[in-house]
Amino acid sequence: EAAVTQSPRNKVAVTGGKVTLSCNQTNNHNNMYWYRQDTGHGLRLIHYSYGAGSTEKGDIPDGYKASRPSQENFSLILELATPSQTSVYFCASGAPGLGGFQNTLYFGAGTRLSVL
Amino acid sequence: AQKVTQTQTSISVVEKTTVTMDCVYETRDSSYFLFWYKQTASGEIVFLIRQDSYKKENATVGHYSLNFQKPKSSIGLIITATQIEDSAVYFCAMREVGGSALGRLHFGAGTQLIVIP
Repeated sequence: EAAVTQSPRNKVAVTGGKVTLSCNQTNNHNNMYWYRQDTGHGLRLIHYSYGAGSTEKGDIPDGYKASRPSQENFSLILELATPSQTSVYFCASGAPGLGGFQNTLYFGAGTRLSVL
Repeated sequence: AQKVTQTQTSISVVEKTTVTMDCVYETRDSSYFLFWYKQTASGEIVFLIRQDSYKKENATVGHYSLNFQKPKSSIGLIITATQIEDSAVYFCAMREVGGSALGRLHFGAGTQLIVIP
């Protein structure tokens, strides 16, 4: 069974503080993603990675950094957290390739972040 | 420009009936993949079903099926014999083959389904 684990599950941060959200996957997938979910917007892509050492900007990267130190781990970093970054964040992993089934994403349980 | 649009914010149906959730998409690619994901009340997001654009047959998995109308850029999700546990938020998503080969998906805003006993 594919497994993606996020930590912490809940986080309260102060404005201007640094926040790190962690994601670990045991699927041995090359690709990993960070999405945020807000009412009315569905899931929006922040950063993604196609392997250890790589990170790419998604659709809404401003205010976020990402780090992929290994195949298994992918972190999302908010250097200076702002209240607008209050959201639910999801990590996902997926296999590369053009085949349809290989594009199935496996999601973590989500992290609820509140920036006060 | 929004690539995937779900206009139905919320739908309520009586248990054991059939429901259709709408989704339209925008793409310039001739080949692409369409997906439906389900988010349960606990927040868990799981893959349900996929339609490959080059296939004319509508995909079916269990009591989920798709109504793929390529000329209308539409991919509806049909759930037959709905059950209480089908209550969830359903997301439509699209991946364009012509873009990055990283499985990057564009998601719609989601439709909340409420199944009433």
